[in-house]
Amino acid sequence: AQTVTQSQPEMSVQEAETVTLSCTYDTSESNYYLFWYKQPPSRQMILVIRQEAYKQQNATENRFSVNFQKAAKSFSLKISDSQLGDTAMYFCAFMKHTDKLIFGTGTRLQVFP
Amino acid sequence: EAGVAQSPRYKIIEKRQSVAFWCNPISGHATLYWYQQILGQGPKLLIQFQNNGVVDDSQLPKDRFSAERLKGVDSTLKIQPAKLEDSAVYLCASSLGTDRRPGNTIYFGEGSWLTVV
Repeated sequence: AQTVTQSQPEMSVQEAETVTLSCTYDTSESNYYLFWYKQPPSRQMILVIRQEAYKQQNATENRFSVNFQKAAKSFSLKISDSQLGDTAMYFCAFMKHTDKLIFGTGTRLQVFP
Repeated sequence: EAGVAQSPRYKIIEKRQSVAFWCNPISGHATLYWYQQILGQGPKLLIQFQNNGVVDDSQLPKDRFSAERLKGVDSTLKIQPAKLEDSAVYLCASSLGTDRRPGNTIYFGEGSWLTVV
């Protein structure tokens, strides 16, 4: 069975600084998809970024980028120029071809002014 | 484009009572999901529909939870009788579906918060 591990329960960063959230996963699949979702206090899950495992190039979305290391089964999220609005829970998630998301336990990110 | 709609947003019930949650997915999305998120945890899949057929309900507590998607669009999740440990946010989500292409992005609603007292 696939598992997703987020080893950092809480992180904090000062506004305008850079922060990296860690995620590791375990799978025997060769083709899969990885996601980072943001969950503000409203509890709606908002997609931040996605990565296809068959693509070697790391995904980037504006201030958000990932470091995808397939051999190490690592998928970290880097947030550059952190903003107060980035304060939220961040969930790493794994999906194989069945389109079912498996989530980690989340990292609470606090951005300080 | 309208997002995933859920109602009610908040519900408080006593244990052993019943509750139902409704979800309307994004138009054209064939796959619909119900996730349960207990405070402090990541969401856990309860059931996945492809059109009006069940793809995965392996983690649905079938003795008390039921879900249906009769016309392949809206869905209802019911809990009867509720237990204290059912207190959670119930997230509905949808995607285009695997018959279009795999790895579709899943879009979530705002969730229905359930408190069982």
